[in-house]
Amino acid sequence: NAGVTQTPKFQVLKTGQSMTLQCAQDMNHNSMYWYRQDPGMGLRLIYYSASEGTTDKGEVPNGYNVSRLNKREFSLRLESAAPSQTSVYFCASRPGAKGEKLFFGSGTQLSVL
Amino acid sequence: EDQVTQSPEALRLQEGESSSLNCSYTVSGLRGLFWYRQDPGKGPEFLFTLYSAGEEKEKERLKATLTKKESFLHITAPKPEDSATYLCAVNTGNQFYFGTGTSLTVIP
Repeated sequence: NAGVTQTPKFQVLKTGQSMTLQCAQDMNHNSMYWYRQDPGMGLRLIYYSASEGTTDKGEVPNGYNVSRLNKREFSLRLESAAPSQTSVYFCASRPGAKGEKLFFGSGTQLSVL
Repeated sequence: EDQVTQSPEALRLQEGESSSLNCSYTVSGLRGLFWYRQDPGKGPEFLFTLYSAGEEKEKERLKATLTKKESFLHITAPKPEDSATYLCAVNTGNQFYFGTGTSLTVIP
């Protein structure tokens, strides 16, 4: 059972560079999420997709874009990376029914120099 | 404003020394309260879901309880392998709100 798979696991960028974080789930879940985790800040929602074809902003969307490519895949793009985007990024999914738990990937550690 | 607060931030216990972690919340329309365990360098791992005040769930040395304003994660006779960060989250529909976690260290 792969669950939620994120790539890459580690990435170093220079300020102004762009990159896309990939996320795929094999559990036939409807909803997918992108979070960032910073020391002392907890997990903060960047964007989510409640179902295929829809995306919505979370708490900290500035500087990011997302694409729900299909039911399995949800990507996060940094168009022009900034040092403030240095963080650990987690993708998560859930079946879609309200009250259901989130399943998390193993994370991407991103450093922007 | 929806808010989740966890305490303490860090907790050091001797092996076998029981204690409790607290998660207090102020949200409108609680759909569920979740406890996760997170090990260094890994994603959060699901432990429990609680849906209504008075509900309790148990798993090995862990027991989670829920009231209308807070949840407790009780750890009975902890072992070193219970060392991790424990996260609390509330669901109000499509979104989840996370606390900042309690870092637990169990000393042999």
